[in-house]
Amino acid sequence: EIVMTQSPASLSASPGERATLSCRASQSVSSNLAWYQQKPGQAPRLLIYGASTRATGIPARFSGSGSGTEFTLTISSLQSEDFAVYYCQQYKNWPPVTFGQGTRLEIK
Amino acid sequence: QVQLVESGGGVVQPGRSLRLSCAAAGFTFSTYGLHWVRQAPGKGLEWVALISYDGSSKYYADSVKGRFSISRDSSKNTLYLQMNSLRPEDTAVYYCARPLGNLLLFLLDQWGQGTLVTVSS
Repeated sequence: EIVMTQSPASLSASPGERATLSCRASQSVSSNLAWYQQKPGQAPRLLIYGASTRATGIPARFSGSGSGTEFTLTISSLQSEDFAVYYCQQYKNWPPVTFGQGTRLEIK
Repeated sequence: QVQLVESGGGVVQPGRSLRLSCAAAGFTFSTYGLHWVRQAPGKGLEWVALISYDGSSKYYADSVKGRFSISRDSSKNTLYLQMNSLRPEDTAVYYCARPLGNLLLFLLDQWGQGTLVTVSS
């Protein structure tokens, strides 16, 4: 099973700032990496797949990069609605697909 | 629009059984594989099970293998999760989820609102 590790566990930032979230895989997943956003009391929302492709309707301020074992989600200018928990997910080797433990993005 | 509505959650004693349902609408049910994903209180996401579009293939997380069974009824546009021998660690919100497509089988772009299962004596 591929283990996904996200850092930091929690991140405080202000609206308008840039946020960078990291995800590391225990072995190469090539570009088979997705990012999800989850707000309290809501289901997750697919943001990015293929490491860098935005899902339908996702604003351009969200971008993903990386391949192999190291990945980054960048939010270029934080909006109030972006404060949430973010999960990475590998889907190269399945079953199972595996998620990271999440990064909580909080308002400073 | 796509709708996935889970039901069947509740409080159940350890060792007992429960069946979850997920009613689907707004897409051609018989052409999509479907998943169950769970989230323990305050914890992250855990993939539970996948059933192929035609029900011929089923996959499970090791943590539920042999205890849980995923199935579907295309005449009712409904996905099921039969959960047997429940344990306290199965306590979670259970989501059904639909992928982008059958070539993008694990990219989950449509989710239900979830149903809470609590396993406690």
